[in-house]
Amino acid sequence: DIQLTQSPSSLSASVGDRVTITCQASQAISHYLNWYQQKPGKAPKLLISDATNLETGVPSRFSGGGSGTDFTFTISSLQPEDFATYYCQQYDNLLFTFGPGTKVDVK
Amino acid sequence: QVQLVQSGAEVKQPGSAVTISCRASGGPFRTVPISWVRQAPGQGLEWVGRVVPILATSNYAQRFQGRVTITADESTTTVYMELNSLTSEDTAIYYCARGSYGFQHWGQGTLITVSS
Repeated sequence: DIQLTQSPSSLSASVGDRVTITCQASQAISHYLNWYQQKPGKAPKLLISDATNLETGVPSRFSGGGSGTDFTFTISSLQPEDFATYYCQQYDNLLFTFGPGTKVDVK
Repeated sequence: QVQLVQSGAEVKQPGSAVTISCRASGGPFRTVPISWVRQAPGQGLEWVGRVVPILATSNYAQRFQGRVTITADESTTTVYMELNSLTSEDTAIYYCARGSYGFQHWGQGTLITVSS
């Protein structure tokens, strides 16, 4: 099975900061990489699909990049509502895997 | 709009089985896969398996093979997950999630607690 690693596992940031999270796959997955935001007590929310596609209604400060094994997720200017945990997720050969998550909290 | 409504919380004894449900509405049911994803307390997300209603086929994460069954009932647009041989490590919130390569829609979650 394909494994995903995320870094960092947590970070502290301030409103207005630029935040970047990386996700690395154990083998090439083309562009089949999605990013989710999860807030405490809530279901995850899909933000970016196919590595770079912003879901409808998601603010443009969120962006994704990469292909193959190395991917990035960026928040260009962190807003108060963005403090949450972020997960990458891959799809390959009928199987899905999530990364371990990155918690973004207040500095 | 698409809605996924899950059944209520369950408390089960170790070694027993549990079946939970997820009723879909507001979108095509047959053609879009529905998965189950779980989250243990304070932990990350873990994909359990999925069903493709139009094909009546399911596939599962390796670690759940032989212990989980996911089925779909087209007449009620409901997906079920049965998990057997429960242990305390199965205590988690179980979400149903709809989508082919990513999960655009999620249920509200069902807490399964395994405790003697």
